[in-house]
Amino acid sequence: KNEVEQSPQNLTAQEGEFITINCSYSVGISALHWLQQHPGGGIVSLFMLSSGKKKHGRLIATINIQEKHSSLHITASHPRDSAVYICAVIRGTGNQFYFGTGTSLTVIP
Amino acid sequence: DAGITQSPRHKVTETGTPVTLRCHQTENHRYMYWYRQDPGHGLRLIHYSYGVKDTDKGEVSDGYSVSRSKTEDFLLTLESATSSQTSVYFCAIHRGQITDTQYFGPGTRLTVL
Repeated sequence: KNEVEQSPQNLTAQEGEFITINCSYSVGISALHWLQQHPGGGIVSLFMLSSGKKKHGRLIATINIQEKHSSLHITASHPRDSAVYICAVIRGTGNQFYFGTGTSLTVIP
Repeated sequence: DAGITQSPRHKVTETGTPVTLRCHQTENHRYMYWYRQDPGHGLRLIHYSYGVKDTDKGEVSDGYSVSRSKTEDFLLTLESATSSQTSVYFCAIHRGQITDTQYFGPGTRLTVL
């Protein structure tokens, strides 16, 4: 069983919809990252969280350490948001990342 | 963008042949990683390095070896490629601070026929 679980695995939304992607983990962590991967493209970091909430443009990420859960929200979704979103956790001293299997998002115009 | 490149970007090879993938960084980051990405599995760690000549195995290290003779270069070798090693391979770098993200290379698509 993967230590990091994401849901849903696939998500299709209409342009403008509010989107939520969830990440649950089963171990104690030092930090959590949300990453984005466009089709055929590289992987880039969106957020690093160790507590609370962060916002960048239309993206909001939250984490609840006690419940071992994080969410990534996208407000007013746009077709250019179509990508795979990956949750990754860091344990211990921070030298290794453990990844979820990703959520594939498609936003339809 | 972090200075990290991978070569080659695409490779097709035959079963049983040796293959070496190269990761090169210009950031002087201490940690370097090799991952493979397969549908349904996400990113899985093959090997990582925490300094020159210092490496350790990840969860899917069988059939792979690595070397790091310089800070900037991390090589992944498939001694005798198999079809199960067909995958997209990503290199990543990390300074080692918990608050830092990993920076990923563009990936290498390897097909073993």
